[in-house]
Amino acid sequence: DGGITQSPKYLFRKEGQNVTLSCEQNLNHDAMYWYRQDPGQGLRLIYYSQIVNDFQKGDIAEGYSVSREKKESFPLTVTSAQKNPTAFYLCASSISTQDRSNQPQHFGDGTRLSIL
Amino acid sequence: AQSVAQPEDQVNVAEGNPLTVKCTYSVSGNPYLFWYVQYPNRGLQFLLKYITGDNLVKGSYGFEAEFNKSQTSFHLKKPSALVSDSALYFCAVRDLFGNKLVFGAGTILRVKS
Repeated sequence: DGGITQSPKYLFRKEGQNVTLSCEQNLNHDAMYWYRQDPGQGLRLIYYSQIVNDFQKGDIAEGYSVSREKKESFPLTVTSAQKNPTAFYLCASSISTQDRSNQPQHFGDGTRLSIL
Repeated sequence: AQSVAQPEDQVNVAEGNPLTVKCTYSVSGNPYLFWYVQYPNRGLQFLLKYITGDNLVKGSYGFEAEFNKSQTSFHLKKPSALVSDSALYFCAVRDLFGNKLVFGAGTILRVKS
């Protein structure tokens, strides 16, 4: 079945360490997104990518980095500059962000990141 | 800027009773509105969307939503609630350029038997 796979499901970070969250999709979607979810705050957009080798900052990009070398993959790195990384991270994809913007986003099952 | 408000942190309803989860929006231009549901430790699942046309939109699992332009609302409804409907519900609006979704803070729905 087509879908979005996020790994790992749980991740622990030590102080000063960078960690990378994986997101892979086999839906042939052009656009991919990373969100952060904190209790009571809904979802906040970190980064998004409309096509391969291109990405844009979202509302809370500081302390995070991404790459989009392949259409199927959009990994997120949480750097040591992100001082409060404990959260639930969700990856999503959609057909396109522009000419078919009425299409819903499809979500993975998330990665829960905690500080050791 | 586009924005969405979900005025209730939590909605409690008895099984078999109708349920409503409220959402109001603020947009420039025509709104593209969405409802998603999230179960514990899972991603969001798409329920339904309003793009244009009929104000009553039908979606998955027996849910529907009513678009009201004059009240800038898009409330989620179900005629008869199930215990299994208990989850976190998000309303979202597509931004002006179609690049991003803007989410509300979410509403916890608790259905008691």
